[in-house]
Amino acid sequence: GESVGLHLPTLSVQEGDNSIINCAYSNSASDYFIWYKQESGKGPQFIIDIRSNMDKRQGQRVTVLLNKTVKHLSLQIAATQPGDSAVYFCAENGDNQGGKLIFGQGTELSVKP
Amino acid sequence: GAVVSQHPSWVICKSGTSVKIECRSLDFQATTMFWYRQFPKQSLMLMATSNEGSKATYEQGVEKDKFLINHASLTLSTLTVTSAHPEDSSFYICSARRASGTGETQYFGPGTRLLVL
Repeated sequence: GESVGLHLPTLSVQEGDNSIINCAYSNSASDYFIWYKQESGKGPQFIIDIRSNMDKRQGQRVTVLLNKTVKHLSLQIAATQPGDSAVYFCAENGDNQGGKLIFGQGTELSVKP
Repeated sequence: GAVVSQHPSWVICKSGTSVKIECRSLDFQATTMFWYRQFPKQSLMLMATSNEGSKATYEQGVEKDKFLINHASLTLSTLTVTSAHPEDSSFYICSARRASGTGETQYFGPGTRLLVL
């Protein structure tokens, strides 16, 4: 279902450190997952996706891990930079209803220089 | 590739007026577009799914007569907020679905900030 919350979880890291952002998804039928980055006042930006037949996928400085047993998704950012500061959302495709995505509540990442 | 634009980027209007927001896929064709609303510090809430050439499908609780959606072509969908009121003030974001390896990736526009006075 929809995710609504008044307070975004926050994660504060030092520049150069690795960041791990976690997400618990809701629908065991979901077989496609996406991580988006949203900077203040902008639309979400696609980062990386993964299908349920994989448990790990790597991109440039980012890795997504999927644990279907516990319905958990994580995004790892290596060598975090100030430009990585944003809100990160995970999304799942749920029951594949016309391509709709279900968004998690988001995590605000703050990178300290 | 996969660029989605929105116009206008922000709009201020008086209560009772109607506002039209455009969503365009610039370099690909989108048979399906989605409209979301986002309040401060909250996640994206899907309002409706827009399919080219057919009526939009609205999420539960979203008034179809208030939020008119027209998907006139494979690259353009519009959202009209009719008789806008202050509670309609929000960040409206569209996305377009492009057939890719996964077939489900959505690419988002930059959003339109609406302020109703």
